[in-house]
Amino acid sequence: DAEITQSPRHKITETGRQVTLACHQTWNHNNMFWYRQDLGHGLRLIHYSYGVHDTNKGEVSDGYSVSRSNTEDLPLTLESAASSQTSVYFCASSESGQGKNTQYFGPGTRLTVL
Amino acid sequence: GQNIDQPTEMTATEGAIVQINCTYQTSGFNGLFWYQQHAGEAPTFLSYNVLDGLEEKGRFSSFLSRSKGYSYLLLKELQMKDSASYLCALYSSASKIIFGSGTRLSIRP
Repeated sequence: DAEITQSPRHKITETGRQVTLACHQTWNHNNMFWYRQDLGHGLRLIHYSYGVHDTNKGEVSDGYSVSRSNTEDLPLTLESAASSQTSVYFCASSESGQGKNTQYFGPGTRLTVL
Repeated sequence: GQNIDQPTEMTATEGAIVQINCTYQTSGFNGLFWYQQHAGEAPTFLSYNVLDGLEEKGRFSSFLSRSKGYSYLLLKELQMKDSASYLCALYSSASKIIFGSGTRLSIRP
């Protein structure tokens, strides 16, 4: 069955380290998204991509980067991890086209920055 | 800009009916989603409304009034497994979804 996966599921790192969170989907969806979820803020969009080699900044993109070298993967990199980036990170994907805008979420990665 | 308001918490009784309201302000409306999220899990899609009116899907129904900037999610015959957060979300332009902070629903026996 097609799915969307994230790895690792849990990560503890130290301030200043570079961290990469993986997201892989097998639905062949063009659109992929990264969110963070914190108490009191709901889901906030970090970066998104509409296809290979396309990336765009969301509302909370500072300190994060993404790259899209193929349809299936959108890794999220924290260049220099900060304690404020402790959060749960969700990846999502959707088809493109009229009426095909439902996003399907991966299981999430819980990141702790010490 | 866009703004979404929904209650932070609600409590209901098993077997009863509960209505979770969502009001929104947006410069351009393209659709409204409801997602369910159990604690520690990913959000899962429940419903999507584009036109005014009620859409029913089993025990869950979603209502939309575009002129009033208002939606609600109606859950009937509540079960303990319905204890979760319910996220109201706007479909903005260019395939993006803007999420509200969610309503945490607790079901008591």
